Amino acid sequence: GQNIDQPTEMTATEGAIVQINCTYQTSGFNGLFWYQQHAGEAPTFLSYNVLDGLEEKGRFSSFLSRSKGYSYLLLKELQMKDSASYLCAVTDSNYQLIWGAGTKLIIKP
Amino acid sequence: NAGVTQTPKFQVLKTGQSMTLQCAQDMNHEYMSWYRQDPGMGLRLIHYSVGAGITDQGEVPNGYNVSRSTTEDFPLRLLSAAPSQTSVYFCASSYTDSGANVLTFGAGSRLTVL
Repeated sequence: GQNIDQPTEMTATEGAIVQINCTYQTSGFNGLFWYQQHAGEAPTFLSYNVLDGLEEKGRFSSFLSRSKGYSYLLLKELQMKDSASYLCAVTDSNYQLIWGAGTKLIIKP
Repeated sequence: NAGVTQTPKFQVLKTGQSMTLQCAQDMNHEYMSWYRQDPGMGLRLIHYSVGAGITDQGEVPNGYNVSRSTTEDFPLRLLSAAPSQTSVYFCASSYTDSGANVLTFGAGSRLTVL
């Protein structure tokens, strides 16, 4: 079966750095997405990786290793507004999106 | 641009009642989809459409119907609501269904079935 694993919850301190991991087992791979979802709101796009390596976008970076079936989202200089759930999703060989259950990130002052 | 507009935001139904969740997008996206989101689970695809007149089933289609008569609109119908359909529903769209296309989500519809 197809599976996306991410930690259920993480806690970090304002101003610090946090890394949210995502491992996947899917039938084929056509890209990996990270979305941010604040409580009670819709998911919004953060990043897309299709090749191995690091993609940097301001305070957020996303890394992909296709051979290991692994990605992480790195958030630097954490702000209180970063408290949200972070969803990892993989596009399989049929171009269907497989979603992880999300990681709830709690930021403490 | 309004993006993806979903209505209603909240709805309470009794078991056996029917209703339609509305979804409209003004971005000329070909691909539209409906997801449900339940605690502790990833988003699950209910139905999707790759263009007007074309619909297909996703992972959890039972109990739901869709139609796509125009590019803009993609309503989701619950024919006979069941408590298991209590969930948050999201409509999402993108230019195409290829791997790199980013989904734009509506604000969500929270449905409770008693």
